Amino acid sequence: EVHLVESGGGLIQPGRSLRLSCAASGFTFNEYAIHWVRQVPGKGLEWVSGISWNSGSKGYAGSVQGRFTISRDNARNSVYLQMDGLQSEDTALYYCVKDQDEFRWQWLALDSWGQGTLVTVSS
Amino acid sequence: QSVLTQPPSMSGTPGQRVTISCSGSTSNIGTNSVNWYQQVPGGTPKLLIFGNTQRPSGVPDRFSGSKSGTSASLAISGLQSEDEATYYCVVWDNNLMGLFGGGTKLTVL
Repeated sequence: EVHLVESGGGLIQPGRSLRLSCAASGFTFNEYAIHWVRQVPGKGLEWVSGISWNSGSKGYAGSVQGRFTISRDNARNSVYLQMDGLQSEDTALYYCVKDQDEFRWQWLALDSWGQGTLVTVSS
Repeated sequence: QSVLTQPPSMSGTPGQRVTISCSGSTSNIGTNSVNWYQQVPGGTPKLLIFGNTQRPSGVPDRFSGSKSGTSASLAISGLQSEDEATYYCVVWDNNLMGLFGGGTKLTVL
């Protein structure tokens, strides 16, 4: 069974940095793209960033470009989201999500979702 | 405001057929496959349709997807009370990013 467990969220002041982690299990991790999707409670979903199975391709939403950096460690079955220069608009529940099909990029058929980690940016 | 436009809300009665639209552009829907998600209150999103028209195993055939030009649609036939949820379209944009529609909250009357 696929498991995605996010960690690293919390209350952080504007302008500071935070690193989210996603620990994966139950599938051949190094064959799948992984994405971060966020949701302000009670609001819609927003794609934040994604990384291909071999880290060869990465993408970022315009709202986080230049501030967030995605990476993965296939030896540790983990994906990370380094968030710098945090703003109040970054307050949301952050989900780690797996793509359905192996070795596909730009596909976004996201079949497995973690429970999310809450990031609150406030002074 | 999302680049992908969905109606914010829709409603229907049990047994009815409803169609949710998702409008984009040539850089996203016009060239890439559309996926649809269902999110019930308090739950995580569930993949409903992928590759414009395909259903993952376990998704009832009451749900169907289509695409034409720069628009896509999700149709739900034989509406049931458990279909009450928010539905999102998702697509890759050629500007190297993923896009979610704003979501459509479906109410079953």
